[in-house]
Amino acid sequence: ELKVEQNPLFLSMQEGKNYTIYCNYSTTSDRLYWYRQDPGKSLESLFVLLSNGAVKQEGRLMASLDTKARLSTLHITAAVHDLSATYFCAVDSSPGGTSYGKLTFGQGTILTVHP
Amino acid sequence: GAGVSQSPSNKVTEKGKDVELRCDPISGHTALYWYRQSLGQGLEFLIYFQGNSAPDKSGLPSDRFSAERTGGSVSTLTIQRTQQEDSAVYLCASSPGTSGGPRYFGPGTRLTVL
Repeated sequence: ELKVEQNPLFLSMQEGKNYTIYCNYSTTSDRLYWYRQDPGKSLESLFVLLSNGAVKQEGRLMASLDTKARLSTLHITAAVHDLSATYFCAVDSSPGGTSYGKLTFGQGTILTVHP
Repeated sequence: GAGVSQSPSNKVTEKGKDVELRCDPISGHTALYWYRQSLGQGLEFLIYFQGNSAPDKSGLPSDRFSAERTGGSVSTLTIQRTQQEDSAVYLCASSPGTSGGPRYFGPGTRLTVL
């Protein structure tokens, strides 16, 4: 059974600081997703990482994937208050082939950015 | 363009009643997914539809849960004889069906079973 673990689960940051959220998963997969969820809202897609070594950047967020280490990171640069949210990584449980089905989600990291 | 829509946004029901939750995917998306989000269990996969293929029902927690997708578009998740542990936010997502793309989530239906 695929397990996806994030750490930390809670992250309190000061504005302007950098930090990294880690996402480890237990079985082979080359498809990893990062989502953001604001309180009371649904999930917003941030990044889709589809191969080993993939790196994607959007604003102050950068995501990377190392399939050999079964690890993805979400790096936050110079945090601002607007980044406060819960961040989830998710791994596709159907590696290879053409039929992609369920995503297995990590527990989520609650990020709070303080002035 | 229009995103994934779900109805109702909130549903309060009594234990033992049946409920139906509706999902309208993004037009043209062939893949549709149901997930459940609760405090104790996080985000759980329930069921996945892809085109005309048999759905992947491996995440349905019991035989009280069922889902159908009519005409390759709208989907209904039905929970029979609801229990208090069914209380959660039920999220629907869709994707174009091509390999590897993101799932686009709807706003969810918050189900409360009294």
